[in-house]
Amino acid sequence: EAGVAQSPRYKIIEKRQSVAFWCNPISGHATLYWYQQILGQGPKLLIQFQNNGVVDDSQLPKDRFSAERLKGVDSTLKIQPAKLEDSAVYLCASSPGQGAYEQYFGPGTRLTVT
Amino acid sequence: AQKITQTQPGMFVQEKEAVTLDCTYDTSDPSYGLFWYKQPSSGEMIFLIYQGSYDQQNATEGRYSLNFQKARKSANLVISASQLGDSAMYFCAMSGGNQFYFGTGTSLTVIP
Repeated sequence: EAGVAQSPRYKIIEKRQSVAFWCNPISGHATLYWYQQILGQGPKLLIQFQNNGVVDDSQLPKDRFSAERLKGVDSTLKIQPAKLEDSAVYLCASSPGQGAYEQYFGPGTRLTVT
Repeated sequence: AQKITQTQPGMFVQEKEAVTLDCTYDTSDPSYGLFWYKQPSSGEMIFLIYQGSYDQQNATEGRYSLNFQKARKSANLVISASQLGDSAMYFCAMSGGNQFYFGTGTSLTVIP
């Protein structure tokens, strides 16, 4: 069974530029999560999708971050414009359902904003 | 507010010994889940163990067990017979109310 795929693995951009990250969850997983993990901290949930609907995006900075999940499968997370404090690893995870299910994480995208 | 607290930034354990990683949580929801994840230096998050708030028995998965004390709101991870490959960051996490919260992590180093 293929795991959660993410691309790119690394990205360096200048502040005020835009960037997009892509995630392909495990086949059949209804729930998809995007996390931001700043160096030395635990992951912070940005947005959770159930199929192609948003379950929770209360911690997503909506003035600059956006996310969508196309046809309930792949998902993209975009930042526009990027700030220095957006430098972090962006993790995508998927699970068969919400709540009690373990989450399977992708390898992450390391973003550096200069 | 819901939150997870891990008070041990770093821990050392001798190979083959047992180690306990502490985790306390705060929630007003009656239904919640508690998780432990391992993050090696490679960066991927690996699920270790899960405990539901209504589960009567402490969860166990191989060398991992979760010491769940509901009244104290603690969910400590016990790793028995530590191995060199156990050296990693360990995160406690909680699900509840469509949210998922991670602690700040504990760095575990296993000494040969």
